[in-house]
Amino acid sequence: DTGVSQDPRHKITKRGQNVTFRCDPISEHNRLYWYRQTLGQGPEFLTYFQNEAQLEKSRLLSDRFSAERPKGSFSTLEIQRTEQGDSAMYLCASSPAASGSAPEQYFGPGTRLTVT
Amino acid sequence: AQSVSQHNHHVILSEAASLELGCNYSYGGTVNLFWYVQYPGQHLQLLLKYFSGDPLVKGIKGFEAEFIKSKFSFNLRKPSVQWSDTAEYFCAVNPNTGGFKTIFGAGTRLFVKA
Repeated sequence: DTGVSQDPRHKITKRGQNVTFRCDPISEHNRLYWYRQTLGQGPEFLTYFQNEAQLEKSRLLSDRFSAERPKGSFSTLEIQRTEQGDSAMYLCASSPAASGSAPEQYFGPGTRLTVT
Repeated sequence: AQSVSQHNHHVILSEAASLELGCNYSYGGTVNLFWYVQYPGQHLQLLLKYFSGDPLVKGIKGFEAEFIKSKFSFNLRKPSVQWSDTAEYFCAVNPNTGGFKTIFGAGTRLFVKA
């Protein structure tokens, strides 16, 4: 078990560019979550996958954001036409299938995005 | 809207002092409750969780939390902190509605002086 990994760890991009982040969950976990965290705040839920199905999506996820998990393993989060307000830490988490309760989430190190 | 409120943004304590971090949530139904911790340079990790049963739950490293349903609270406690407890602590709530959205508080930064 190598934990949740995210790539890249840091990304600097110019406003208007597209960026894509990758998350590799713990291998036996079928649930995957994306969060955004800005300075002084806790993680804000963006979206959730169970296997390859995107089951829940926050209103924070505007049309410029899209997430996929095509084979139920790794996931990508793409931001199109980035804006300065998109600068944040993007966190990925995974968890095993529930056993009658909400399981704990295992977090990755995050991708820090800076939009200039 | 559902929200989680953590009362203190920054706490400074000396070693061996007792700790209590407040957490209140706004949701009237059944909830799953969590405290996560982020040590400097590390990932967020689970400290403890409550789903049902005994409202006093014990977690790792001597931490415990008490769920008081009537007060919508889930405060974190530790009788005697150590320098190694310096970290940021996040309270989180998952409304038990079958959905998977977890709502986090803004966090409390704890600094323990040696």
